[in-house]
Amino acid sequence: QFALTQPASVSGSPGQSITISCTGTASDIGSYNFVSWYQRLPGKAPKLIIYEVNKRPSGVSDRFSGSKSGDTASLTISGLQTEDEADYYCCSFAGRSTFDVVFGGGTKLTVL
Amino acid sequence: QVQLQEAGPGLVKPSETLSLSCTVSGGSISNSYWSWIRQPPGKGLEWIGYIHYSGSINYNPSLKSRVTMSVDRSKNQFSLNLRSVTAADTAVYYCAAFSGYDFRSWGQGTLVTVSS
Repeated sequence: QFALTQPASVSGSPGQSITISCTGTASDIGSYNFVSWYQRLPGKAPKLIIYEVNKRPSGVSDRFSGSKSGDTASLTISGLQTEDEADYYCCSFAGRSTFDVVFGGGTKLTVL
Repeated sequence: QVQLQEAGPGLVKPSETLSLSCTVSGGSISNSYWSWIRQPPGKGLEWIGYIHYSGSINYNPSLKSRVTMSVDRSKNQFSLNLRSVTAADTAVYYCAAFSGYDFRSWGQGTLVTVSS
Protein backbone atom coordinates (compact mmCIF):
# COMPACT_ATOMS: atom_id res chain seq x y z
CA GLN A 1 0.00 0.00 0.00
CA PHE A 2 1.05 3.57 -0.53
CA ALA A 3 1.59 6.15 2.14
CA LEU A 4 -0.53 8.71 0.29
CA THR A 5 -4.05 7.93 -0.89
CA GLN A 6 -5.30 9.01 -4.30
CA PRO A 7 -8.45 8.03 -6.19
CA ALA A 8 -7.66 5.37 -8.76
CA SER A 9 -9.36 7.29 -11.54
CA VAL A 10 -11.08 10.53 -12.40
CA SER A 11 -12.63 11.72 -15.62
CA GLY A 12 -13.84 14.91 -17.21
CA SER A 13 -14.83 16.43 -20.50
CA PRO A 14 -12.76 18.90 -22.49
CA GLY A 15 -13.05 22.37 -21.03
CA GLN A 16 -14.12 21.17 -17.60
CA SER A 17 -12.13 21.29 -14.39
CA ILE A 18 -11.19 18.30 -12.27
CA THR A 19 -9.53 17.91 -8.92
CA ILE A 20 -7.41 15.00 -7.73
CA SER A 21 -7.03 14.57 -4.01
CA CYS A 22 -4.04 13.18 -2.16
CA THR A 23 -4.52 12.27 1.48
CA GLY A 24 -1.62 11.73 3.82
CA THR A 25 -1.05 12.13 7.52
CA ALA A 26 0.19 14.66 10.03
CA SER A 27 3.66 13.18 9.51
CA ASP A 28 3.92 14.08 5.85
CA ILE A 29 1.44 16.36 4.06
CA GLY A 30 0.19 17.75 7.35
CA SER A 31 3.66 18.78 8.52
CA TYR A 32 5.41 20.03 5.43
CA ASN A 33 4.67 22.32 2.50
CA PHE A 34 6.64 20.04 0.20
CA VAL A 35 3.93 18.36 -1.83
CA SER A 36 4.72 17.72 -5.47
CA TRP A 37 2.71 16.37 -8.38
CA TYR A 38 3.89 14.45 -11.42
CA GLN A 39 2.26 13.81 -14.76
CA ARG A 40 3.10 10.60 -16.55
CA LEU A 41 1.93 10.55 -20.14
CA PRO A 42 1.67 7.12 -21.78
CA GLY A 43 5.11 5.79 -22.55
CA LYS A 44 6.84 8.81 -21.07
CA ALA A 45 8.81 9.55 -17.94
CA PRO A 46 7.05 11.36 -15.09
CA LYS A 47 7.22 15.13 -15.28
CA LEU A 48 7.12 17.54 -12.35
CA ILE A 49 4.10 19.83 -12.71
CA ILE A 50 3.66 21.19 -9.17
CA TYR A 51 6.15 21.53 -6.34
CA GLU A 52 6.02 22.99 -2.85
CA VAL A 53 2.22 22.57 -2.85
CA ASN A 54 1.35 25.22 -5.43
CA LYS A 55 4.39 26.27 -7.46
CA ARG A 56 4.72 25.50 -11.16
CA PRO A 57 8.03 24.82 -12.88
CA SER A 58 8.81 26.98 -15.85
CA GLY A 59 6.91 25.83 -18.91
CA VAL A 60 4.04 24.14 -17.08
CA SER A 61 0.62 25.44 -18.04
CA ASP A 62 -1.19 27.64 -15.54
CA ARG A 63 -4.17 25.34 -16.01
CA PHE A 64 -2.47 23.18 -13.39
CA SER A 65 -2.73 24.34 -9.79
CA GLY A 66 -2.10 22.83 -6.40
CA SER A 67 -3.35 23.40 -2.88
CA LYS A 68 -3.30 21.86 0.56
CA SER A 69 -5.58 21.73 3.55
CA GLY A 70 -4.56 19.81 6.62
CA ASP A 71 -3.39 16.35 5.63
CA THR A 72 -4.84 16.52 2.12
CA ALA A 73 -3.33 18.04 -1.00
CA SER A 74 -5.15 18.63 -4.26
CA LEU A 75 -4.28 19.05 -7.89
CA THR A 76 -6.75 20.96 -10.05
CA ILE A 77 -6.65 20.95 -13.81
CA SER A 78 -8.83 23.58 -15.41
CA GLY A 79 -9.88 23.80 -19.05
CA LEU A 80 -9.27 20.08 -19.56
CA GLN A 81 -7.61 19.12 -22.82
CA THR A 82 -7.32 15.71 -24.40
CA GLU A 83 -3.56 15.85 -24.00
CA ASP A 84 -4.02 16.01 -20.21
CA GLU A 85 -5.03 12.35 -20.24
CA ALA A 86 -2.31 10.74 -18.15
CA ASP A 87 -1.46 9.27 -14.78
CA TYR A 88 -0.92 11.75 -11.97
CA TYR A 89 1.08 11.05 -8.84
CA CYS A 90 1.38 13.05 -5.66
CA CYS A 91 4.43 13.01 -3.47
CA SER A 92 5.27 14.46 -0.08
CA PHE A 93 8.35 15.06 1.97
CA ALA A 94 8.07 13.01 5.12
CA GLY A 95 10.93 14.15 7.31
CA ARG A 96 14.58 13.25 7.63
CA SER A 97 14.18 10.76 10.41
CA THR A 98 12.34 8.13 8.42
CA PHE A 99 11.15 7.98 4.85
CA ASP A 100 12.22 11.15 3.20
CA VAL A 101 9.69 10.87 0.43
CA VAL A 102 6.37 9.11 0.01
CA PHE A 103 4.26 8.70 -3.11
CA GLY A 104 0.60 8.23 -3.77
CA GLY A 105 -0.63 5.27 -5.76
CA GLY A 106 -1.49 7.39 -8.80
CA THR A 107 -4.69 8.58 -10.46
CA LYS A 108 -5.63 7.83 -14.05
CA LEU A 109 -7.24 10.88 -15.66
CA THR A 110 -9.50 10.16 -18.59
CA VAL A 111 -10.63 13.03 -20.77
CA LEU A 112 -13.92 11.92 -22.29
CA GLN B 1 17.60 21.55 -16.79
CA VAL B 2 19.74 18.45 -16.61
CA GLN B 3 19.13 15.38 -18.70
CA LEU B 4 19.42 11.89 -17.29
CA GLN B 5 19.80 8.53 -18.99
CA GLU B 6 19.61 5.12 -17.35
CA ALA B 7 21.69 2.19 -18.56
CA GLY B 8 21.92 -1.43 -17.55
CA PRO B 9 20.79 -4.95 -18.35
CA GLY B 10 17.12 -5.47 -19.06
CA LEU B 11 17.11 -8.99 -17.68
CA VAL B 12 18.44 -10.17 -14.34
CA LYS B 13 18.22 -13.66 -12.86
CA PRO B 14 16.58 -14.25 -9.49
CA SER B 15 18.97 -13.98 -6.52
CA GLU B 16 21.45 -11.96 -8.56
CA THR B 17 22.27 -8.25 -8.37
CA LEU B 18 20.52 -5.61 -10.43
CA SER B 19 22.98 -2.90 -11.44
CA LEU B 20 22.03 0.33 -13.16
CA SER B 21 23.83 3.56 -13.90
CA CYS B 22 22.52 7.01 -14.66
CA THR B 23 24.49 9.52 -16.70
CA VAL B 24 23.86 13.18 -16.00
CA SER B 25 24.30 15.71 -18.79
CA GLY B 26 23.78 19.45 -18.91
CA GLY B 27 24.95 19.89 -15.34
CA SER B 28 27.37 18.70 -12.70
CA ILE B 29 26.63 15.75 -10.50
CA SER B 30 28.05 17.81 -7.66
CA ASN B 31 25.12 20.22 -7.78
CA SER B 32 22.25 18.07 -6.60
CA TYR B 33 20.95 15.06 -4.85
CA TRP B 34 20.22 12.09 -7.10
CA SER B 35 17.57 9.48 -6.69
CA TRP B 36 16.21 6.19 -7.97
CA ILE B 37 12.51 5.46 -8.27
CA ARG B 38 10.82 2.40 -9.67
CA GLN B 39 7.41 1.44 -10.99
CA PRO B 40 6.39 -2.23 -11.10
CA PRO B 41 4.05 -3.13 -13.97
CA GLY B 42 0.55 -1.85 -13.31
CA LYS B 43 1.54 -0.27 -10.00
CA GLY B 44 2.53 3.11 -8.66
CA LEU B 45 5.85 4.81 -8.06
CA GLU B 46 8.16 3.64 -5.30
CA TRP B 47 11.05 5.75 -4.04
CA ILE B 48 14.22 3.66 -3.68
CA GLY B 49 16.59 6.21 -2.21
CA TYR B 50 18.82 9.19 -2.82
CA ILE B 51 22.51 10.03 -2.76
CA HIS B 52 24.52 13.24 -2.69
CA TYR B 53 28.03 13.37 -4.12
CA SER B 54 29.28 14.28 -0.64
CA GLY B 55 28.23 10.83 0.55
CA SER B 56 24.91 11.66 2.15
CA ILE B 57 22.61 8.72 1.48
CA ASN B 58 19.11 7.65 2.44
CA TYR B 59 17.32 4.49 1.39
CA ASN B 60 13.71 3.37 1.51
CA PRO B 61 13.57 1.27 4.70
CA SER B 62 11.77 -1.52 2.84
CA LEU B 63 14.75 -1.92 0.49
CA LYS B 64 17.59 -0.71 2.69
CA SER B 65 19.09 -4.15 3.37
CA ARG B 66 19.54 -4.82 -0.36
CA VAL B 67 20.35 -1.41 -1.85
CA THR B 68 23.61 0.40 -2.46
CA MET B 69 23.97 3.69 -4.32
CA SER B 70 27.16 5.40 -5.38
CA VAL B 71 28.38 8.43 -7.31
CA ASP B 72 31.20 8.59 -9.87
CA ARG B 73 32.09 12.24 -10.26
CA SER B 74 34.63 11.56 -12.99
CA LYS B 75 31.89 10.13 -15.20
CA ASN B 76 29.09 12.39 -13.98
CA GLN B 77 27.19 9.22 -13.14
CA PHE B 78 25.46 7.65 -10.21
CA SER B 79 24.57 4.01 -9.76
CA LEU B 80 22.15 1.61 -8.15
CA ASN B 81 22.84 -1.93 -6.97
CA LEU B 82 19.94 -4.04 -5.73
CA ARG B 83 20.96 -7.43 -4.37
CA SER B 84 19.12 -10.73 -4.17
CA VAL B 85 16.41 -9.75 -6.61
CA THR B 86 13.12 -11.57 -7.05
CA ALA B 87 10.27 -11.24 -9.51
CA ALA B 88 8.84 -8.54 -7.26
CA ASP B 89 11.74 -6.32 -8.29
CA THR B 90 10.62 -6.34 -11.91
CA ALA B 91 9.91 -2.71 -12.71
CA VAL B 92 10.72 0.32 -14.77
CA TYR B 93 13.58 2.00 -12.96
CA TYR B 94 13.94 5.77 -13.19
CA CYS B 95 16.78 7.98 -12.12
CA ALA B 96 15.98 11.54 -11.17
CA ALA B 97 17.43 14.80 -9.92
CA PHE B 98 16.20 15.24 -6.35
CA SER B 99 15.94 18.69 -4.81
CA GLY B 100 15.69 17.26 -1.32
CA TYR B 101 11.91 17.55 -1.50
CA ASP B 102 10.87 16.72 -5.09
CA PHE B 103 12.12 15.25 -8.34
CA ARG B 104 12.94 17.97 -10.84
CA SER B 105 14.17 15.96 -13.82
CA TRP B 106 13.70 12.32 -14.72
CA GLY B 107 15.36 9.85 -17.01
CA GLN B 108 13.27 7.98 -19.56
CA GLY B 109 13.28 4.87 -17.44
CA THR B 110 14.54 1.38 -18.12
CA LEU B 111 12.59 -1.84 -17.75
CA VAL B 112 14.33 -4.49 -15.70
CA THR B 113 12.80 -7.94 -15.69
CA VAL B 114 13.78 -10.51 -13.09
CA SER B 115 13.47 -13.95 -14.58
CA SER B 116 15.47 -17.10 -15.06
